[in-house]
Amino acid sequence: EAGVVQSPRYKIIEKKQPVAFWCNPISGHNTLYWYLQNLGQGPELLIRYENEEAVDDSQLPKDRFSAERLKGVDSTLKIQPAELGDSAVYLCASSLRGGNPYNEQFFGPGTRLTVL
Amino acid sequence: AQTVTQSQPEMSVQEAETVTLSCTYDTSESNYYLFWYKQPPSRQMILVIRQEAYKQQNATENRFSVNFQKAAKSFSLKISDSQLGDTAMYFCAFRMDSNYQLIWGAGTKLIIKP
Repeated sequence: EAGVVQSPRYKIIEKKQPVAFWCNPISGHNTLYWYLQNLGQGPELLIRYENEEAVDDSQLPKDRFSAERLKGVDSTLKIQPAELGDSAVYLCASSLRGGNPYNEQFFGPGTRLTVL
Repeated sequence: AQTVTQSQPEMSVQEAETVTLSCTYDTSESNYYLFWYKQPPSRQMILVIRQEAYKQQNATENRFSVNFQKAAKSFSLKISDSQLGDTAMYFCAFRMDSNYQLIWGAGTKLIIKP
């Protein structure tokens, strides 16, 4: 069974440029998470989807970040414009229904973003 | 607010040795779950072991076991017969029964030396 797929693995951009990350969750997983992970820290949740609905986006900086999961499957996270402080690893995870603590979150390999 | 603290930024042991990683947490909840995740250099976060707070028995998964001390709010991970492939960042995480969100520690970098 394929795991969570993310692309690209690495992205280097100039500040003020836009950037987008793509995630394809494990088939059948209706819950999708986007996390930000700074160097030497644990992940921080940005947004959680249940199917196509963003049920928790309270920690998403909405002035520059946006996300979508139009058909309840794959998802895109966008930053526009990017700032130097956005340099980090962006992780995507998926699970069966997120409310059940026994539904393990499976993580993708992440996208390492460097903003110059 | 819930917090998770990992006091060891980095640890290093010889292959085949046993190593224990520390984690403490703070919560007023009585029902919750604790997790240890492994993140190797490839960055793919992998669940190592899970403990339910209502269970007194410590969880074990092959060479990995935990020492869960609920009163002390401590949740340490013991890796027995360590292997080179155990080299990774290890994150402790907490989740309330009533909330899906994981609260993460800052991680411990574990290096297994040949």
